[in-house]
Amino acid sequence: DSGVTQTPKHLITATGQRVTLRCSPRSGDLSVYWYQQSLDQGLQFLIQYYNGEERAKGNILERFSAQQFPDLHSELNLSSLELGDSALYFCASSVGFAEQFFGPGTRLTVL
Amino acid sequence: AQKITQTQPGMFVQEKEAVTLDCTYDTSDPSYGLFWYKQPSSGEMIFLIYQGSYDQQNATEGRYSLNFQKARKSANLVISASQLGDSAMYFCAMREGRGDYKLSFGAGTTVTVRA
Repeated sequence: DSGVTQTPKHLITATGQRVTLRCSPRSGDLSVYWYQQSLDQGLQFLIQYYNGEERAKGNILERFSAQQFPDLHSELNLSSLELGDSALYFCASSVGFAEQFFGPGTRLTVL
Repeated sequence: AQKITQTQPGMFVQEKEAVTLDCTYDTSDPSYGLFWYKQPSSGEMIFLIYQGSYDQQNATEGRYSLNFQKARKSANLVISASQLGDSAMYFCAMREGRGDYKLSFGAGTTVTVRA
């Protein structure tokens, strides 16, 4: 158990819908990262927050947004979902530049 | 350009033998970190080992060791005394010292341990 929690574990939804994925980092970790893992693109960095502020953006679509709240939990919002958004979405947390610990992931299926 | 290259899509290893997973990286940043993660069929990503670019010694964690060859830009993972539970996908990743600490991942290597 990495100490990072993600909910829900599985999500099945339809094209055009909007979903919210939630992540709670390990106690004391200020940085939260979101990654997407798909068969065709592999593991890709989406976005990072540090202590409530956006720190870095990767290959995140405009239809996707995220935020980190004062209690340090983070949410990833995915809207106008397409079939190609089906993937495993990971949240990770870290203390500074140390190793990142990953949550169990949310498997999103868009039908 | 690919930052992390893992050229072995899949490998078979006999139980109790050692296996080496290849990883080469590309960066012009003098400060970087290299990581290996394990992803079993259940899907979670498990941190295994870390090597910093300024570390003089190769990192070791139990049965895992990282063979760091800076001039060759390689960071191979060695798993000694393989166990059936080592069957999984293994990812090499790099963090460059730009302040954002995001990880760039390779395509992964699937390891299957045979009894």
